[in-house]
Amino acid sequence: EVQLLESGGGLAQPGGSLRLSCAASGFTFSSYAMSWVRQAPGKGLEWVSLIGDNGDFTNYADSVKGRFTISRDNSRDTLYLQMNSLRAEDTAVYYCTKDLNGYPPHFFDYWGQGSLVTVSS
Amino acid sequence: EIVMTQSPATLSVSPGERATLSCRASQSVSSNLAWYQQKPGQAPRLLIYGASTRATGIPARFSASGSGTEFTLTISSLQSEDFAVYYCQQVSHWPLTFGGGTKVEIK
Repeated sequence: EVQLLESGGGLAQPGGSLRLSCAASGFTFSSYAMSWVRQAPGKGLEWVSLIGDNGDFTNYADSVKGRFTISRDNSRDTLYLQMNSLRAEDTAVYYCTKDLNGYPPHFFDYWGQGSLVTVSS
Repeated sequence: EIVMTQSPATLSVSPGERATLSCRASQSVSSNLAWYQQKPGQAPRLLIYGASTRATGIPARFSASGSGTEFTLTISSLQSEDFAVYYCQQVSHWPLTFGGGTKVEIK
C-alpha cells in the first residue's frame, strides 16, 4: 500500500524557515517524480514544486522560486521541501504527491494527508 | 502561465441526477489534463488522467472528455459520496496549474 506521510509543519514567523519531510513507502520511491502541492485555508490547490526521480530535475512555481528548495533522499525514501523567507501568504496545508507514472506527464495518483504551515508573528 | 477556468463555481444537483463540470485552458494542453475530487478535510484524489482515462478504482459513473482547451467531467448519477469539490489540472506546460474548482452540492 502506497503511503506518503508529511511532517515538519507548524508555526513560523515571517522571514523564518521550515523544512517539510515526506516519508514514502509501498512503492519504489526512486522510480517516480514527486511534487509538493499546497492549499491555503478555504482556497484551491496550487502546485509548488516537482523533483525528478533521481533529483536531477526540479521546477518551481514563481511564487516560491528562490525561496523554497525541493530535494529527495532516495536512500531514505524521503522527499523534502526547505522553505526560507516565509511570508504570510505561504500559510497553507502542504501535500506531498507521487507521480502516476515514472515519466511525464506528471499526474498525481497518491497524496499525503498534508502538513499545515502557518506563517504569523 | 496557463490559466485553468472551471465552471460553474457551484453546482447544485439532486442525488441520482447527472452533473456536468467544465474546465477551460487559456491555451492548448492537448490531453494533458487531470481531474481530482476533494472532500472536506481530505486530500485530493485522482479521478481522471489523460483527459479521459479513469484512475484505478474510480467508478464508471465518472467519465470525462475533451482535448486542447475544452474539457468536461460528467458524473452520470450522483451518489451521496460524490458531493465534493472537483479540480482540473493541466500538466502540459510549466508551471503546472489547477483550476479554481467546482463545488458539487446537494440540491
